[in-house]
Amino acid sequence: NAGVMQNPRHLVRRRGQEARLRCSPMKGHSHVYWYRQLPEEGLKFMVYLQKENIIDESGMPKERFSAEFPKEGPSILRIQQVVRGDSAAYFCASSPGGPGWGDEQYFGPGTRLTVT
Amino acid sequence: SQELEQSPQSLIVQEGKNLTINCTSSKTLYGLYWYKQKYGEGLIFLMMLQKGGEEKSHEKITAKLDEKKQQSSLHITASQPSHAGIYLCGAEYSGAGSYQLTFGKGTKLSVIP
Repeated sequence: NAGVMQNPRHLVRRRGQEARLRCSPMKGHSHVYWYRQLPEEGLKFMVYLQKENIIDESGMPKERFSAEFPKEGPSILRIQQVVRGDSAAYFCASSPGGPGWGDEQYFGPGTRLTVT
Repeated sequence: SQELEQSPQSLIVQEGKNLTINCTSSKTLYGLYWYKQKYGEGLIFLMMLQKGGEEKSHEKITAKLDEKKQQSSLHITASQPSHAGIYLCGAEYSGAGSYQLTFGKGTKLSVIP
């Protein structure tokens, strides 16, 4: 059973370009979470999705960031018009259950975004 | 102030020594997760604790949850170089919608052979 997969592992974008980060959850997991780890800071929750639904996006910046988890295919975190401050490691996690289940979240290896 | 404080921030120990990492929450905990992160890599799930007083062990790593103090400790016995990395605690807070994990800043562990 493959773990959570993220691609690309490293992404370099120039200021103003778009970044698309992909996450394939573990088989059988229908809950996906995105986190961001800024340099010298802890992981911060961004958004929680189930298939075709955004459940909680309270951690997402109000502008330029969006996430989706379509019926088919991976979850996508999209950052439009990237700025240098977006440079970070973006981690995706998945779990079989959702709120209140206490299921552990399994993390992917992350995508390291560098904005030049 | 930080909701979840980890201490120490970094730790250097001689191989074979025991060590403890602490994680203290300023809010009521629903669950507490421990992860290990190797530099530049993803997180590896270690253990999850939910009940006050709960203690779990895996190989040489033991984690405990003190519900009254809203604190968890991670103890490594007879440390080895393979234990080196960044240890993160993640809190799941009780209350509606409070399921997303809040992480501490991590404890960087180095083990000297």
